[in-house]
Amino acid sequence: GEDVEQSLFLSVREGDSSVINCTYTDSSSTYLYWYKQEPGAGLQLLTYIFSNMDMKQDQRLTVLLNKKDKHLSLRIADTQTGDSAIYFCAEIPNSGYALNFGKGTSLLVTP
Amino acid sequence: NAGVTQTPKFRILKIGQSMTLQCTQDMNHNYMYWYRQDPGMGLKLIYYSVGAGITDKGEVPNGYNVSRSTTEDFPLRLELAAPSQTSVYFCASSPGGVNTQYFGPGTRLTVL
Repeated sequence: GEDVEQSLFLSVREGDSSVINCTYTDSSSTYLYWYKQEPGAGLQLLTYIFSNMDMKQDQRLTVLLNKKDKHLSLRIADTQTGDSAIYFCAEIPNSGYALNFGKGTSLLVTP
Repeated sequence: NAGVTQTPKFRILKIGQSMTLQCTQDMNHNYMYWYRQDPGMGLKLIYYSVGAGITDKGEVPNGYNVSRSTTEDFPLRLELAAPSQTSVYFCASSPGGVNTQYFGPGTRLTVL
């Protein structure tokens, strides 16, 4: 199938904002997700956005959705060292049940 | 709730051996999934199930089998292990097809 695209690596300083970008494939995807994976661990749901929304804010997290360009972004305000992890963008295409994942963006937060 | 649990956490197999990866969820979810994650890659769907007694192939099913005799359990079977099956395997469940999926901690499998 088509690929969900993400940049592979992002490095920020502690206290700065991080923005992770994603381009998804199916304009009819109902939900779009951000998962976080810490080293050696499983995937933890971070947040999601319904396709009829443009923005969702949840504490330090802001998700922006541009359906016209099939672009999703995750902004982490006041990034902390504990935010260092791999972040996966995912969609459930209208044609199926399973999540279609990007390859993940490794976020490194330096002191 | 324990959520989604997987056993074992780690396993090393020799080529040609077989094993079953166990997955159990206690959230009464109808949908369950098996994914594999290769280094530097996203997750690929192996098999999924929409309810007890119903299973279907995902994107990469070759070399694997599943069964779903109960709502809670969704074991993944490798019959003849091959080095290409070296990966981290994640089980997930959700209440419905487009609902949030909850993941287990993963099983790290190495085939030598």
